[in-house]
Amino acid sequence: DIQMTQSPSSLSASVGDRVTITCQASQDISNYLNWYQQKPGKAPKLLIYDASNLETGVPSRFSGSGSGTDFTFTISSLQPEDIATYYCQQYDNLLFSFGPGTKVDIK
Amino acid sequence: EVQLVQSGAEVKKPGESLKISCKGSGYSFRSHWIAWVRQMPGKGLEWMGIIYPGDSDTTYSPSFQGQVSISVDKSISTAFLQWSGLQASDTAMYYCARRGLCSGGSCFDYWGQGTLVTVSS
Repeated sequence: DIQMTQSPSSLSASVGDRVTITCQASQDISNYLNWYQQKPGKAPKLLIYDASNLETGVPSRFSGSGSGTDFTFTISSLQPEDIATYYCQQYDNLLFSFGPGTKVDIK
Repeated sequence: EVQLVQSGAEVKKPGESLKISCKGSGYSFRSHWIAWVRQMPGKGLEWMGIIYPGDSDTTYSPSFQGQVSISVDKSISTAFLQWSGLQASDTAMYYCARRGLCSGGSCFDYWGQGTLVTVSS
C-alpha cells in the first residue's frame, strides 16, 4: 500500500498570509495526487486534481504542484473562509488513500 | 446538476446489520465509479472501497476487505454499503463519492452529504 504523509498537521496563520502544505507519497504516484478541503460538519470538496489543476469554481488563490513523491498545496492569501482541514489523496491501480490532514485556522 | 444523496442517520446496537444508500442523479450513474469513505469522530478520511455500477466490479481497501460489503442497483441509480454485524468501532460518518473525470480517474469530484452511523448498546 502507498502511504501518504502530510505536514504540518496543523497551522495557524494571519489573514493574507501565504500558507503551504506538503504531502509525500511512499512511492512514485506520477501526478495522481488531489487536494480536498473539508469544513467542519461538511463533506470534503475537491480543490486541486492531478497535482496542479484547479477544479472549476475554486478560487485562484489555491494552487498545487509536484510530481512523483513530493507535492505542495498553497493558499496564496489566506481568507477567513479558508478555515478547514485539507487532505491530500493519491491513486494507484484502483487503490486510493488519503493523507492524515492539515488543520488550518486563523491566528 | 450532479447530486449524490445519502440515506439518513442510523442508531444501531452491536451485532445488528445495516445497509446505507447513496443515490446519484444528474449524470449517467452506470458510467462512474462510486466510492465509500469513512470518517471516525474527530479523525481523517479513510477510503473503504469502490464499485462500478455498470458491471458491479468492486475493489476494497485491504483495511476494509471482509468487514463491509459494497453493492449497487443501477436500475435505481443507488449504491449501498452494508454491515452484517456492527461493532462500536463502526461509529463514524460515511460518505459516498463519485470517481471523477480527472487524469486516470484518480479523484472524487462529487460527494454525498454523509450518513452518520452510531453503534451503541
